[in-house]
Amino acid sequence: SQKIEQNSEALNIQEGKTATLTCNYTNYSPAYLQWYRQDPGRGPVFLLLIRENEKEKRKERLKVTFDTTLKQSLFHITASQPADSATYLCALDRYGGSQGNLIFGKGTKLSVKP
Amino acid sequence: GAGVSQSPSNKVTEKGKDVELRCDPISGHTALYWYRQRLGQGLEFLIYFQGNSAPDKSGLPSDRFSAERTGESVSTLTIQRTQQEDSAVYLCASSPRQGAYEQYFGPGTRLTVT
Repeated sequence: SQKIEQNSEALNIQEGKTATLTCNYTNYSPAYLQWYRQDPGRGPVFLLLIRENEKEKRKERLKVTFDTTLKQSLFHITASQPADSATYLCALDRYGGSQGNLIFGKGTKLSVKP
Repeated sequence: GAGVSQSPSNKVTEKGKDVELRCDPISGHTALYWYRQRLGQGLEFLIYFQGNSAPDKSGLPSDRFSAERTGESVSTLTIQRTQQEDSAVYLCASSPRQGAYEQYFGPGTRLTVT
């Protein structure tokens, strides 16, 4: 079955630097991959979706890349701010298609220090 | 507009009691998901409803867990004979339709079994 690994449980960086989070998957390549942000005590909030035919997607200070050869997605936050501190989750379709039934990674907890 | 709402926000119950958790999805969203998140852990898929199709129950951990959805509106997750390992946050999410769409999460119900 499909598995997702987010390599770092925690990532600490200085304000203003670029944070880079990694999401790796095994088995079949997904049709798309999503990234979510989760703050303590709250449900995840959708950030970006990237499809298999897209190499890169941007939204304001966020950038996501998708490398189907490496079976990896990278999530970048440029000019990071303390307000970016949260847990970031990657997710992809559980059955490999576009059913919408997602499997989530365990997340990477990002801490941005002033 | 209104987001996904869940009730109650907190529930403390004694071991062996039954509990019912409620989810009101965003109006018009045909897809609805239930997840469980234990403290410090990732999201664990429980069940997925899509329109009038048979639900995907493959994530339900035991026959003590069941869920229903009324048409394309409210859903209830029922846990019978609760056990301490059922303690977790139960998150509900909805999506516009089946497919590669973002999921909108509710705030969750924190269940504590004593």
